[in-house]
Amino acid sequence: QQQVKQSPQSLIVQKGGIPIINCAYENTAFDYFPWYQQFPGKGPALLIAIRPDVSEKKEGRFTISFNKSAKQFSLHIMDSQPGDSATYFCAAFTGTASKLTFGTGTRLQVTL
Amino acid sequence: NAGVTQTPKFQVLKTGQSMTLQCAQDMNHEYMSWYRQDPGMGLRLIHYSVGAGITDQGEVPNGYNVSRSTTEDFPLRLLSAAPSQTSVYFCASSYPPYNEQFFGPGTRLTVL
Repeated sequence: QQQVKQSPQSLIVQKGGIPIINCAYENTAFDYFPWYQQFPGKGPALLIAIRPDVSEKKEGRFTISFNKSAKQFSLHIMDSQPGDSATYFCAAFTGTASKLTFGTGTRLQVTL
Repeated sequence: NAGVTQTPKFQVLKTGQSMTLQCAQDMNHEYMSWYRQDPGMGLRLIHYSVGAGITDQGEVPNGYNVSRSTTEDFPLRLLSAAPSQTSVYFCASSYPPYNEQFFGPGTRLTVL
């Protein structure tokens, strides 16, 4: 049973577009929600993260929107660039269990 | 700092063989973990450790053993490899509260 559901599986946008990746969770014990970016042949790298007491967080062109009542959160990439082409994973962390649970990933391609 | 290092980068095993995947970090992180990444399934936690001498199971621990004798090293052992263990393995480390994890470059393992 996937505790963190992520969609879409893949996404193609043109340069300058705003790709949106969505995640949903069930476990209310999750208390930290990071997004990781992974380039081919590399390990995932932390991109941006949010706590459930905040509805939005921006870092540069990356924004997380968080809806606690709906148990959903999403990643928006403003003015997307070809260099943003990568696989993006949402995740959820349980402080009491010290465990990170990942979504299934979204492969993003940004075309010229 | 080298960060999180993993060896080997690639490995091919025959069914029933044993091997150890090495992971080391030079950031003095208490927390270390092992994940496997499979297509369409994201990253799944195998085992983790919150300090030397302390290990615990993750989501998919069967077929894998770990030990943590030092802060720096966290090896993952496959005692009798099976084709189902063909995957990319990532090691990660973190400081308290362990929610921001730093990943190594991965080991691609094929079991024939």
